[in-house]
Amino acid sequence: AQSVTQPDIHITVSEGASLELRCNYSYGATPYLFWYVQSPGQGLQLLLKYFSGDTLVQGIKGFEAEFKRSQSSFNLRKPSVHWSDAAEYFCAVGAASGGSYIPTFGRGTSLIVHP
Amino acid sequence: GAVVSQHPSRVICKSGTSVKIECRSLDFQATTMFWYRQFPKQSLMLMATSNEGSKATYEQGVEKDKFLINHASLTLSTLTVTSAHPEDSSFYICSAIADADGPLGTEAFFGQGTRLTVV
Repeated sequence: AQSVTQPDIHITVSEGASLELRCNYSYGATPYLFWYVQSPGQGLQLLLKYFSGDTLVQGIKGFEAEFKRSQSSFNLRKPSVHWSDAAEYFCAVGAASGGSYIPTFGRGTSLIVHP
Repeated sequence: GAVVSQHPSRVICKSGTSVKIECRSLDFQATTMFWYRQFPKQSLMLMATSNEGSKATYEQGVEKDKFLINHASLTLSTLTVTSAHPEDSSFYICSAIADADGPLGTEAFFGQGTRLTVV
């Protein structure tokens, strides 16, 4: 079965600083990988996804992620964080199931942005 | 992107009553819908997977008789929490996936969630 590990429960950065959120996955085949952001009391918004092809994926809001098969990682990065980026971030891996997939989520990383 | 609407966004109910949560795909047909439960400061736990016209597949440890899921059409799935108790209080989120061969591909679209409080 697939699994996702987000080793950092909380990350604190200063506004304008760079950001990297870690994600490691376990899956037997080539995974579908995702990063979602959740604001308090809200649903999830997709930031970016990797299915195949270029291992550096660009997403919305200036985020990017790099798929590294050798490290089973899919870390999320942003060169300059804004205060509005403070939220909960979830990495997910999708296991193919009959033409669609079932996403499994990591426990999430809470991003705190200091002014 | 496609829109998934979840209703209500918040609900408070008395212990012992039942609550129905709706999840609608507004501009696409959802072949598969998922229901998640999220405890405070924790990740989303998959409760069940439903396909239109068939019975839902529940994850281990999820009570089928307590969390009734109906996926009667390609745009609507409902989760009914029966005989709710305070421990059922949680944030419930649905997501929907379109036809994998269609223009939306295999991306999952999420509703905004429902905050259930049982008193």
